[in-house]
Amino acid sequence: DVKVTQSSRYLVKRTGEKVFLECVQDMDHENMFWYRQDPGLGLRLIYFSYDVKMKEKGDIPEGYSVSREKKERFSLILESASTNQTSMYLCASSFIAFSYNSPLHFGNGTRLTVT
Amino acid sequence: QKEVEQNSGPLSVPEGAIASLNCTYSDRGSQSFFWYRQYSGKSPELIMFIYSNGDKEDGRFTAQLNKASQYVSLLIRDSQPSDSATYLCALSGNTPLVFGKGTRLSVIA
Repeated sequence: DVKVTQSSRYLVKRTGEKVFLECVQDMDHENMFWYRQDPGLGLRLIYFSYDVKMKEKGDIPEGYSVSREKKERFSLILESASTNQTSMYLCASSFIAFSYNSPLHFGNGTRLTVT
Repeated sequence: QKEVEQNSGPLSVPEGAIASLNCTYSDRGSQSFFWYRQYSGKSPELIMFIYSNGDKEDGRFTAQLNKASQYVSLLIRDSQPSDSATYLCALSGNTPLVFGKGTRLSVIA
C-alpha cells in the first residue's frame, strides 16, 4: 500500500511566521502535489513536482513555495503566514512520470491555523 | 480553467438502496476520471477511476462515463450507513487533477 506521510496533523502558527509542511512518500512515486481544502471551495492545487528539483505552480501558488530535494520528500513553505492561509493542507503522490492521468494517493492532511 | 460540477447534497438514501452521484465537466479534453470518498475530518481515498466510455464495476460501485455528454457518475448498490461521506469527482487530461466540491451522501439506517 502507498503511504504518504505528512509530518504534522495539526499546526498553530502566528501571522508572519515562516511555516514548513513536510510530506514523505514511500512508494518511489515520481509525482507529488500540494492541495489545500476549504469549505465551499473544495480542493485547490498549490504546487506540484514531477521530478527532483523540479516544481510547477498550480492554481493558487501565491504566498507559497516548495522544495523537492529528494524524490520521496516534498515540502510546502509558507513564506510569511497569514490568516487566510488557515486551511487543511493535503499532500498527494502519483506513480506515472510526467503523466496527469494516474490516481493521486493522499496523506492524512495537516490542519493549519494561523492566528 | 476546468469546471467540475457536483450537486452538493446532502443526498439521503435508505439503507440497501442505490445511491446515484453525478458529475459534469466542461473540458472536452479530459481523459481520466476519478471518484474519491472523504469522511469528515479525513483525507480523500480513491474509490474508482475510469478512462473509457461506458461502465466500470468494482464490487458495489459502478462508475459510468459518457464523454459526449460530459458526465461521469458513481452508483453505489446496497448502500450502507458506512457509505455516508462526501464523494469527490476529479478529472485530468493535460493538467493535474481538478476536483469538484463534492456531494455529501447520507445513508439512513
